[in-house]
Amino acid sequence: DAKTTQPNSMESNEEEPVHLPCNHSTISGTDYIHWYRQLPSQGPEYVIHGLTSNVNNRMASLAIAEDRKSSTLILHRATLRDAAVYYCILRDPTNAGKSTFGDGTTLTVKP
Amino acid sequence: DSGVTQTPKHLITATGQRVTLRCSPRSGDLSVYWYQQSLDQGLQFLIQYYNGEERAKGNILERFSAQQFPDLHSELNLSSLELGDSALYFCASSVSPSGGPGELFFGEGSRLTVL
Repeated sequence: DAKTTQPNSMESNEEEPVHLPCNHSTISGTDYIHWYRQLPSQGPEYVIHGLTSNVNNRMASLAIAEDRKSSTLILHRATLRDAAVYYCILRDPTNAGKSTFGDGTTLTVKP
Repeated sequence: DSGVTQTPKHLITATGQRVTLRCSPRSGDLSVYWYQQSLDQGLQFLIQYYNGEERAKGNILERFSAQQFPDLHSELNLSSLELGDSALYFCASSVSPSGGPGELFFGEGSRLTVL
């Protein structure tokens, strides 16, 4: 199964941009890159997803490398409410069971 | 609010017992996924159902079983419980039958404590 690698933790200052990296060197041509985040005592929450092109939505931006072996989730202005564990996963359109949540990146936002 | 409802929120039981966790997916979603999250293992995929049929299977123990009913709600049955089964159990729903672009919407989870 294609796996992702993320740093265990990152820190950011409030109102500054945050770039959360994810490596997925064994990604297949049809895998979608998804990002979820999990706030304390809550279920994971969808953030954004993409296939090849960069994507923007109201929560974040997703920058995908040209070879698709890595991606970066960008929070444009971090707030204290963005403190969470961020997961980068690959979703295979032919087999949903292959999606693996790794340990994610714990983001700490300092006021 | 993701639209996915899980009950019960908390459950305390003894080893050897059996429990049932229930999940109601988001309106219109035909896929239901079950995940287990324990402190030392992160989010582990257990099983997926789509429109009543088992679609994908992960590392689900033989003591565990699940099903999806005609009204699309799903139940996860855990039997012969062991201390190590203590965990958060999440249900997620999606409109699509498989992965790809389909977003996953997670419930708040059911916290199971086995004493």
